[in-house]
Amino acid sequence: IAGITQAPTSQILAAGRRMTLRCTQDMRHNAMYWYRQDLGLGLRLIHYSNTAGTTGKGEVPDGYSVSRANTDDFPLTLASAVPSQTSVYFCASSDGGSVDEQFFGPGTRLTVL
Amino acid sequence: GQNIDQPTEMTATEGAIVQINCTYQTSGFNGLFWYQQHAGEAPTFLSYNVLDGLEEKGRFSSFLSRSKGYSYLLLKELQMKDSASYLCAVSEGNYQLIWGAGTKLIIKP
Repeated sequence: IAGITQAPTSQILAAGRRMTLRCTQDMRHNAMYWYRQDLGLGLRLIHYSNTAGTTGKGEVPDGYSVSRANTDDFPLTLASAVPSQTSVYFCASSDGGSVDEQFFGPGTRLTVL
Repeated sequence: GQNIDQPTEMTATEGAIVQINCTYQTSGFNGLFWYQQHAGEAPTFLSYNVLDGLEEKGRFSSFLSRSKGYSYLLLKELQMKDSASYLCAVSEGNYQLIWGAGTKLIIKP
């Protein structure tokens, strides 16, 4: 692993299904983030984690949950997917807080039908 | 409220210079970032400004005026590979960045 990885690359999901997007980093960064990116809108923060064991809500947390059991992994779960959650999801990490460069994963393109 | 404004799209010619502006209104300010994002790819870091003035890094420079809530990214000697979206983001001092919608830059031969 080099940097930050996400899985799956893309997914088509039926509404009402549960889905977990995976994110793993090998840079030993303390902070991790989940964003969604929609056409015409900026990146919007869903959830973040300052350090292993802690998480926080971002701008658009409803319908999503996260966990941070260790430094490397930061999965994002959609408990019951809805079409409005169709988006490109990016995971990112940074060494410290919001004054540090964020490194992004390649993204997951999710379509909810 | 929180707001970051950037032009939606700009067009420039290969070899020329282009300036992409960003204005912001946020409740706090702890620095401003510029990221580059090629179509279908992840954003990558370009620059960070926390003090007023110009920061130069090769063909790219970034300027900040905190009193005016204004920044710009200057790209010189444009190359076709510079065709991308350029994202402006402001740190308010916590773990969250506020992102602009991005400026799509089209480079023509």
